[in-house]
Amino acid sequence: AQSVTQPDIHITVSEGASLELRCNYSYGATPYLFWYVQSPGQGLQLLLKYFSGDTLVQGIKGFEAEFKRSQSSFNLRKPSVHWSDAAEYFCAVGGIANAGGTSYGKLTFGQGTILTVHP
Amino acid sequence: DTGVSQNPRHKITKRGQNVTFRCDPISEHNRLYWYRQTLGQGPEFLTYFQNEAQLEKSRLLSDRFSAERPKGSFSTLEIQRTEQGDSAMYLCASKDILLHEQFFGPGTRLTVL
Repeated sequence: AQSVTQPDIHITVSEGASLELRCNYSYGATPYLFWYVQSPGQGLQLLLKYFSGDTLVQGIKGFEAEFKRSQSSFNLRKPSVHWSDAAEYFCAVGGIANAGGTSYGKLTFGQGTILTVHP
Repeated sequence: DTGVSQNPRHKITKRGQNVTFRCDPISEHNRLYWYRQTLGQGPEFLTYFQNEAQLEKSRLLSDRFSAERPKGSFSTLEIQRTEQGDSAMYLCASKDILLHEQFFGPGTRLTVL
């Protein structure tokens, strides 16, 4: 079974400071990893995704994430946070099932990390 | 491409009533997913369709829940005999079978009194 852990429920940073949101996953095969952002009253917006290749992936809004297979991690980073980045961030894992499996493309999400940005 | 739309955006109902939600995916996306999100939690998978076929259902989907996608386009999610524990945001997502990115709608927030 696939699972995702986001250890930090709430993070507060000052505007202009760097940011790292942690994500650890469990999945039996090569994972497909995602970071989504959700603002109040809004749907989920994809920030970035990892499928294969370069383990450092770039996303929208200046975000990046690094896939580390040895640590089963996919942490999200941003060098300088803007006040508009305040939102809830979700890490998710999905994948293609092995032969005989049925899990094609469903996502398993972490609990989410709420980001507060101080001016 | 108008994105994924969901109706209604909000629904308030009394315990024991039936409710139905609609999801219109991005046109030509052959996969459609339903998720449920409760306060303080990430979305949890409920079920998904490939065209009109329902391929997987979560254990979360009790027999009071039913989902359909009759023509492989829009989908409906019905909850019968609603309970207060059904109060949540119901999210719909769609994707092209050849791609791995799911596009989410704004959700329907259900409140059961």
